Amino acid sequence: GAVVSQHPSWVICKSGTSVKIECRSLDFQATTMFWYRQFPKQSLMLMATSNEGSKATYEQGVEKDKFLINHASLTLSTLTVTSAHPEDSSFYICSASPAANTGELFFGEGSRLTVL
Amino acid sequence: QKEVEQNSGPLSVPEGAIASLNCTYSDRGSQSFFWYRQYSGKSPELIMFIYSNGDKEDGRFTAQLNKASQYVSLLIRDSQPSDSATYLCAVKAAGYSTLTFGKGTMLLVSP
Repeated sequence: GAVVSQHPSWVICKSGTSVKIECRSLDFQATTMFWYRQFPKQSLMLMATSNEGSKATYEQGVEKDKFLINHASLTLSTLTVTSAHPEDSSFYICSASPAANTGELFFGEGSRLTVL
Repeated sequence: QKEVEQNSGPLSVPEGAIASLNCTYSDRGSQSFFWYRQYSGKSPELIMFIYSNGDKEDGRFTAQLNKASQYVSLLIRDSQPSDSATYLCAVKAAGYSTLTFGKGTMLLVSP
């Protein structure tokens, strides 16, 4: 399967700071990447769709000014959690599909954010 | 609103048995169906996908799709303790790039 890499795997930060998470497609180009959030024992929640060269599309209830997404190249999307607070602590996972017509998603390893 | 329903489980089976995981979806326009496995603390990994009615086999895994009943299932033969995980069903509708995920079924395979 296709490879999606995410970094960092773990991050601990103080409340009020910003954290950037990178997502890379290693063996394919991705015009679209997806950012999910997962709280413990909950399902995946789509946060936003990252579009290369244009603005991200955010799901209802997700603050675009708090979760900044940049997709500057066909292999890299970044999610920045700005002014993080303890309630932002979660497992953030990116994904991408090498074949838009079939739609199978491949996920990065995930980034576990803990805000103190 | 598109919905994907799964029994949360846990589904407990003994080693060597067949595990049957089920999923129903609400959107009749759905065209692609996926099964993901997620180990605790890890991200989901794709097991298999199915587009057409009927069965699709890949090793110990068989996906079954019945579009008329809006039902998709995953059978795991010769279940192993290493299969213990949460299994997520996901559905893609025609014209959409995103997948809708179910909440997942936890499978426990006991030695």
